[in-house]
Formats: sequence, structure tokens, C-alpha cells
Amino acid sequence: EPEVTQTPSHQVTQMGQEVILRCVPISNHLYFYWYRQILGQKVEFLVSFYNNEISEKSEIFDDQFSVERPDGSNFTLKIRSTKLEDSAMYFCASLTSGQWTQYFGPGTRLLVL
Amino acid sequence: DQQVKQNSPSLSVQEGRISILNCDYTNSMFDYFLWYKKYPAEGPTFLISISSIKDKNEDGRFTVFLNKSAKHLSLHIVPSQPGDSAVYFCAALGGGTSYGKLTFGQGTILTVHP
Repeated sequence: EPEVTQTPSHQVTQMGQEVILRCVPISNHLYFYWYRQILGQKVEFLVSFYNNEISEKSEIFDDQFSVERPDGSNFTLKIRSTKLEDSAMYFCASLTSGQWTQYFGPGTRLLVL
Repeated sequence: DQQVKQNSPSLSVQEGRISILNCDYTNSMFDYFLWYKKYPAEGPTFLISISSIKDKNEDGRFTVFLNKSAKHLSLHIVPSQPGDSAVYFCAALGGGTSYGKLTFGQGTILTVHP
């Protein structure tokens, strides 16, 4: 069964450093999302992406964040200058047109020290 | 932003019994609801969904009920099994947002005791 994959599974970085989280969505999916979950809190929407542009972004998704689909398979989330409060699990998800069920990757655990 | 709420942080059930997980929402424009199951250090896994035009959807041991007038949905698991122990998230689609954007509840930790 096709699945969403994410790399790395864990990332530890120093405050102020840039990180890039990578995702490979399911191949025929057209809609892509990033969510995050801070420890003990709910899963929060960050950004949705369709047709090579952002469809919607949350208040969390400030200028330090960016997303890109650099080729036909990868979908990346970049945090330009990480803050302590960026420590969380980051989930990528994808969805095919006309469907409602979004499929999630296993997540990247980001720890900012 | 508390558009989707799961007021019970945890639920403990005996194996073989029914588990009932509840979810309330405030945005009447939501048009699709999903339940996801999540194990520690894994991504959410889709479980079952329901369209806002229906009031019940069943899939094996899992049934979701939707009460639109009360803006309430529930997930029933019968019979519960120890492998069902996980965090369960209620999520909603629509509400005037971009296609596919999910709004999640806080989650309920289900523990099924053998």
C-alpha cells in the first residue's frame, strides 16, 4: 500500500539554525500539508499546498517557514532560523483530488536546543 | 481556536466492552469528519469518516455517529481490544477553509485492559 514517507525521523538542532524536513507524498496525490504537534498538545495545521503554491497557512506559519516542491516527488518544509518553541513532531500529509481521507507520514521529531 | 473539542483526555475500558469516544464542534460549515488513531512516535492513521449528510457510518468494529443539531459526533468501538489502545483524534474538514485542511481535537487516550 502506498504511504507517505518523511526524513529524517529525528533532528536535533541549535537555536537559530536552519532545518529542512523532507516528505515524499503518495505519488498520485495533488494536495500536500504540513502539521505539527507540540508534546502533549493537539495536531495543528501549518500549511496546505496545491498546484505549486500555498493554498492556506496558519498564524504559526510565519516568515521563518517556507515550503517547496522541488521536484515531482519531494515536498519540503524549511525553518529558516529555529526557535526553542519550534520543537515538535512535524507531520506531512497528502490527499488525492475528490477524496477526503488525508494520509499522514510517520513524522519528524524536531528538537531545538 | 477550539472549533473541535474532545473533552475527555482519557478513557479506560475492559477488553470486550464498548469504547465510546466523543467529539464536539462549533463550526456548522464543517462538512466531513474523520477519526484518526495515533500510536506514540507515529503519524495519525485514518480510521473512519462520516459526511455531514449522514448520521451513521459503520466499518467492522468501528461506528461513527453524527448528531448535527447537537454538533456532536462519537466513535464506538465494539468489542474493544488491547490493540485499540492509542490516542484517538477527531478531525473536521471544510468550514470555509482550503481543500483538505483538517482541524483536530485534542485527542483522547484510550486504554483497553485485558
